[in-house]
This record gives sequence, structure tokens and C-alpha cells, in this order.
Amino acid sequence: EDQVTQSPEALRLQEGESSSLNCSYTVSGLRGLFWYRQDPGKGPEFLFTLYSAGEEKEKERLKATLTKKESFLHITAPKPEDSATYLCAVHRAGANNLFFGTGTRLTVIP
Amino acid sequence: NAGVTQTPKFQVLKTGQSMTLQCAQDMNHNSMYWYRQDPGMGLRLIYYSASEGTTDKGEVPNGYNVSRLNKREFSLRLESAAPSQTSVYFCASTMTGGSETQYFGPGTRLLVL
Repeated sequence: EDQVTQSPEALRLQEGESSSLNCSYTVSGLRGLFWYRQDPGKGPEFLFTLYSAGEEKEKERLKATLTKKESFLHITAPKPEDSATYLCAVHRAGANNLFFGTGTRLTVIP
Repeated sequence: NAGVTQTPKFQVLKTGQSMTLQCAQDMNHNSMYWYRQDPGMGLRLIYYSASEGTTDKGEVPNGYNVSRLNKREFSLRLESAAPSQTSVYFCASTMTGGSETQYFGPGTRLLVL
């Protein structure tokens, strides 16, 4: 059975304090791993797609990496505007939809 | 280019009432999806439409029906609302499904009393 587990559930950081969010997955035939950002009261906003182990992608203060069992979202020198819930999702072979984790709620304190 | 739009933004229903949630996309996407999001459960797929004229059940389809009205529009209907259907509903679309990026609408918050 497909499983996506995100940790921690919640994370509080001081502004400038770098950290990482984890997404571990169990899926047969991974075709893609997605990271989304979700602000309160809004829909998920696409950040990255990773397709194979070893792949890395960056956008501003965010860097996503992928291994055969997990993905990390590294946040370097975060700012208060990075506060949001970060969602991880996987697409497996033969499926038409994404399977989502429950998210990590990040709070960056000025 | 509005992307994915949803109406209404918020709705309160009494148990047993019916309603239709509307979704439209202007990105010429073929595939469209309906998810629900509940605290601690993540986004769960209700129904999807791989292309115009086709619909398929997702993980939690009971109590819902869908209509792919045309390439742009995909509606979700609750025939007899139940308190368990209190949730936030998101519509998403993608060009052909699979490993392509899904783009989400702003959501409809539904409260069933």
C-alpha cells in the first residue's frame, strides 16, 4: 500500500535558522515526487517535482532532494514569509492521481 | 489567465440538502480532479476525469457524483449532504495526468450541520 509520511508535523524556526523537512515514502514504481506549499485558506501551490534518486532542485531559499526512500526540503535562512504548510505527494506507476502526505506546518518567527 | 477557479468559496448546508461545487480551468488541461482535505488526513482523491467524457472513482467517492461538463468544467455534486462531508474541497487540473504537475484551485469550505 502506498504510504507517504511527513515529519515533523510542525516546526518552529527563528528567522535565519536553517532546517529540513522530511518526506519518507513507500510506493511501488515511483514516477514522481512533488512538493507543494499551502498557505492558510488557500489551495496548494506547486514548488518542485523530482523524478529520480539523486535529483535536486532549488528555488530561492528552498532546495529539494530525493533518495530511493525519502525526500528532504531544505530551507536555508528562512524568513517569516516562508511560514506555511509544506505538502509532499507521490505519483506511482499505473496511477492517475497523486498520493499526499499530511504536511509539515512551518512557522518562522521574526 | 485565472488558472483553476472554484465556486462557491464557502457554503453551509443542513443534513440532507444537496449542492454542486463548480470548478473551471482555463489552461486547456485534459485531466481534472476533486480532492477533499481534512485535518490530519491529507488530501484524498474523490473523483477524477482523465479526459473530457470520462470520470473515475478515487479513494473516497461514496456520497458524491461528478460531471465533466466540457473540457474546462468539472463539477462535484453532493446529493444528500452528511456531517461527515464537512471538509475543504479542492479541484485540480493537469495536462495529461500522471507525473505532470497538478494545479489547484483556491478551495470550497463546506460545513454540513
